[in-house]
Amino acid sequence: TQLLEQSPQFLSIQEGENLTVYCNSSSVFSSLQWYRQEPGEGPVLLVTVVTGGEVKKLKRLTFQFGDARKDSSLHITAAQPGDTGLYLCAGAERETSGSRLTFGEGTQLTVNP
Amino acid sequence: NAGVMQNPRHLVRRRGQEARLRCSPMKGHSHVYWYRQLPEEGLKFMVYLQKENIIDESGMPKERFSAEFPKEGPSILRIQQVVRGDSAAYFCASSPMWATANEKLFFGSGTQLSVL
Repeated sequence: TQLLEQSPQFLSIQEGENLTVYCNSSSVFSSLQWYRQEPGEGPVLLVTVVTGGEVKKLKRLTFQFGDARKDSSLHITAAQPGDTGLYLCAGAERETSGSRLTFGEGTQLTVNP
Repeated sequence: NAGVMQNPRHLVRRRGQEARLRCSPMKGHSHVYWYRQLPEEGLKFMVYLQKENIIDESGMPKERFSAEFPKEGPSILRIQQVVRGDSAAYFCASSPMWATANEKLFFGSGTQLSVL
């Protein structure tokens, strides 16, 4: 069973600060996705990274996939209260297994105004 | 274009009763996935279905749990003789084709099951 560990588990910062969330595994994933989940709602996909070393930017969010495709990071610049939420990473196993995703336990981010 | 619809949003059952959770995928999607989120834990894969077929049920508990996706109508996740440990948020996701690692899954808002 492939496992994904996210750190930190909780993060509370002030508006305007930068932060990085990490997602690590001892296993290789064919791709890795980052989701954001609001209370009482389902996860919403933010980005998918596929290639080792890949970097993707989504406004103030920067996502990176490790060279060995075992880890990923999410960096938020100048965080805003609207960024508050649960951030989940999810790894896709080999494509032959369809979209069975292995999720990390999430990082609960709180951005205080 | 309606998203993935799950109902009920909240379901309360007493121990020993049956729970039926329904999921209607996005229009045009023929693949459905069920995930369970226990308190303070991440989402855990349960089952992957296509119309009238179970493709991967490796995440389903061996007893009391079953899932179907009939030719007509929503996908149903059925839990018989519920126990308190079944209390969780159950999420359904759908995709339009055999979803590769790059395919986007669309999640519903979930059903929060509470077992008294």
